[in-house]
Amino acid sequence: KQEVTQIPAALSVPEGENLVLNCSFTDSAIYNLQWFRQDPGKGLTSLLLIQSSQREQTSGRLNASLDKSSGRSTLYIAASQPGDSATYLCAVLNQAGTALIFGKGTTLSVSS
Amino acid sequence: GAVVSQHPSRVICKSGTSVKIECRSLDFQATTMFWYRQFPKQSLMLMATSNEGSKATYEQGVEKDKFLINHASLTLSTLTVTSAHPEDSSFYICSARDRGGEQFFGPGTRLTVL
Repeated sequence: KQEVTQIPAALSVPEGENLVLNCSFTDSAIYNLQWFRQDPGKGLTSLLLIQSSQREQTSGRLNASLDKSSGRSTLYIAASQPGDSATYLCAVLNQAGTALIFGKGTTLSVSS
Repeated sequence: GAVVSQHPSRVICKSGTSVKIECRSLDFQATTMFWYRQFPKQSLMLMATSNEGSKATYEQGVEKDKFLINHASLTLSTLTVTSAHPEDSSFYICSARDRGGEQFFGPGTRLTVL
């Protein structure tokens, strides 16, 4: 059974710092991996999607990497801003494409 | 990017009534739609998966007679919470997946059952 773990559960940094969020999964047979952002009481916003054949994706200040063989992904946020404060969720889609399994998220707080 | 809408965004109802939540993919055809629920400070939990024109597949522990899902078209799925009770109060989020395998999420519906 696929399990997704995110470390740390919570993170507080001052504005301007670069930071890394970690995601690990137990079954490497995945179709893709996505990083999402969730603001309190809101739905999810897709940030980056990495197909199983890809190693990384970049969007603005965000960079996500995927090492499928070791079951790891990282989300790198450069020059953090207070507006980045949110919960970041990692999710893997199984190879059959039938189930998206979420981690519990990392709650990020960026202080000005 | 692709947009998924949900309606209503918030609903308060009395115990015993039924509530219908709509989920629409606005600018793409969704091969598959998903329904999730989220309790406070917990991760999303998948309730059911539905493909257009076929019966939904429910996750273990989710009562299919209580949470009725109708996937009427490639752009519309509905979740009906029948005979709602206070323990059904939660944040319900739908998601639609495009042909490329990317999932897009609706803004969620906050259900409060009194």
